[in-house]
Amino acid sequence: EPEVTQTPSHQVTQMGQEVILRCVPISNHLYFYWYRQILGQKVEFLVSFYNNEISEKSEIFDDQFSVERPDGSNFTLKIRSTKLEDSAMYFCASSPRGVGELFFGEGSRLTVL
Amino acid sequence: GDSVTQMEGPVTLSEEAFLTINCTYTATGYPSLFWYVQYPGEGLQLLLKATKADDKGSNKGFEATYRKETTSFHLEKGSVQVSDSAVYFCALSDGTGGFKTIFGAGTRLFVKA
Repeated sequence: EPEVTQTPSHQVTQMGQEVILRCVPISNHLYFYWYRQILGQKVEFLVSFYNNEISEKSEIFDDQFSVERPDGSNFTLKIRSTKLEDSAMYFCASSPRGVGELFFGEGSRLTVL
Repeated sequence: GDSVTQMEGPVTLSEEAFLTINCTYTATGYPSLFWYVQYPGEGLQLLLKATKADDKGSNKGFEATYRKETTSFHLEKGSVQVSDSAVYFCALSDGTGGFKTIFGAGTRLFVKA
């Protein structure tokens, strides 16, 4: 069964360092998303991406964040200069349509020291 | 803006007890409604969905009915099992605003044998 895959599963970084989280969405999906979850609680929307551009972003997604789909398979989230409060589980998701089920990866845990 | 409110947890039940997790929503359009489940250490996965008023979504013994008049989508199960222990998220997607899905805060369920 097709699935969304994310790497790395866990990354530890120093404050101020750049981090890139990688995702391979399901191959025929057109809509891509990043969410984050802090301490296993609320799932917060970061950004949606369709047709090679950002469709919407939340107030969390400031200038330190960027997304890219560098080729036909990968979808990346970059944090330019990490802060302590960026420590969270980051989930990538994809969907064949703009409305409907999201298919989530297993997440990348980011720890900022 | 759109929002989802669900009952706070944790909810602790004995095996075979009846489960209700309340969820209400606010939306300007006609959203699709979802329940997602997150088992320990995993990503979110769709449990059930309903796309229009009076639809009933069901899966694995869980049910929820889309009530437009009360803007609710409560999750129910007649007899819970230990394996149902997880975090449950109510969510909505209205196909506008960048195609994002908004999640409630999550309700943690513990089922005791």
